[in-house]
Amino acid sequence: DTEVTQTPKHLVMGMTNKKSLKCEQHMGHRAMYWYKQKAKKPPELMFVYSYEKLSINESVPSRFSPECPNSSLLNLHLHALQPEDSALYLCASSQAGQGLNEKLFFGSGTQLSVL
Amino acid sequence: RKEVEQDPGPFNVPEGATVAFNCTYSNSASQSFFWYRQDCRKEPKLLMSVYSSGNEDGRFTAQLNRASQYISLLIRDSKLSDSATYLCVVNDGPRSGGATPLVFGKGTRLSVIA
Repeated sequence: DTEVTQTPKHLVMGMTNKKSLKCEQHMGHRAMYWYKQKAKKPPELMFVYSYEKLSINESVPSRFSPECPNSSLLNLHLHALQPEDSALYLCASSQAGQGLNEKLFFGSGTQLSVL
Repeated sequence: RKEVEQDPGPFNVPEGATVAFNCTYSNSASQSFFWYRQDCRKEPKLLMSVYSSGNEDGRFTAQLNRASQYISLLIRDSKLSDSATYLCVVNDGPRSGGATPLVFGKGTRLSVIA
């Protein structure tokens, strides 16, 4: 079982809805990540928070808004999404500062469908 | 754009077979290398890290050739439960604050057949 917990597991939303994805870890990790994965494609990095500060934004559209309320929690706020945003959204965490040994641990993901 | 290339497969092999996957990466400054396994509609899970001297974990052996920017995974005595997509993953080095995002290959599909 993963130690990174994501909710909800499934989400269906309309293009005018506002929703949020949530992620939580209690491993004491200080870096947290959002990845997006389309079917039969590899995960693609969206955002990275390191020590609760946004350190990487991979040119993600503003309809996706990340938030890191504390070192254990990571949210992804969704607004005015498009059908092509339908995908599996994966949260991950890592210890941060381990350099060469840094490993990511993934949550089970939220399968998002935008109608 | 930094890239990780893999043969997408699928590789269909009988139980007990030995199968090898290869991967190349474009960024010569890459420092860390991993193989992740992903089952259908599940999250990626770390299978093993890949070290310069090569390393083994049970039936799995990983090799790294930095000069050729090439990584391999060998699976011996394949089991039905090995059926999955195997993702070659490269870390481009620590970014600000110590975060180290990973770059994923497209994955190689393996089906082990009884």
